[in-house]
Amino acid sequence: SQTIHQWPATLVQPVGSPLSLECTVEGTSNPNLYWYRQAAGRGLQLLFYSVGIGQISSEVPQNLSASRPQDRQFILSSKKLLLSDSGFYLCAWRTLGTAGTEAFFGQGTRLTVV
Amino acid sequence: GQNIDQPTEMTATEGAIVQINCTYQTSGFNGLFWYQQHAGEAPTFLSYNVLDGLEEKGRFSSFLSRSKGYSYLLLKELQMKDSASYLCAVRGYNKLIFGAGTRLAVHP
Repeated sequence: SQTIHQWPATLVQPVGSPLSLECTVEGTSNPNLYWYRQAAGRGLQLLFYSVGIGQISSEVPQNLSASRPQDRQFILSSKKLLLSDSGFYLCAWRTLGTAGTEAFFGQGTRLTVV
Repeated sequence: GQNIDQPTEMTATEGAIVQINCTYQTSGFNGLFWYQQHAGEAPTFLSYNVLDGLEEKGRFSSFLSRSKGYSYLLLKELQMKDSASYLCAVRGYNKLIFGAGTRLAVHP
């Protein structure tokens, strides 16, 4: 069966510090991968998505970046965090090429920038 | 452009029926999804529609009209545990775009 791992669950970081959030998927090959951010009480904002190794599409200009060094690994990074980067970060995957399959989410990382 | 609209909040009584609407405008359409999200947790999949009509799964049903860019999620026999946010999401070519969600409060 497929599983998605996302860590850490919670993170408190000072303004200006770097960030690295990692997401890995098991039990599937060549998935579409997604990073979302959710501000308190708000909807999910798509940040990045990837259809393959090294292929990253950015949805919102910001000081975040994403990388996909391996087929089932998706990393969200920042060189210098801003207060506005606080939020609930969710990684998701879905099977590439299948029209009907839903996206499955990791447990999320609650980031607080102080 | 892409736009997904759904009501911000709804309230309902335990045992009743509630309908949550979603309207969308997207470039490319490959299906509409409904997710449930309890506070502080990740979203979980509820239903999927790609063709017009009603899909039923137990107490939950979802309807789609592609020509109108409209969907609704119908929740029957409401239970207290159904209090959550319900997110409408549309898949384009590769992107999965979410609406802001509807917070449903179920009262005794």
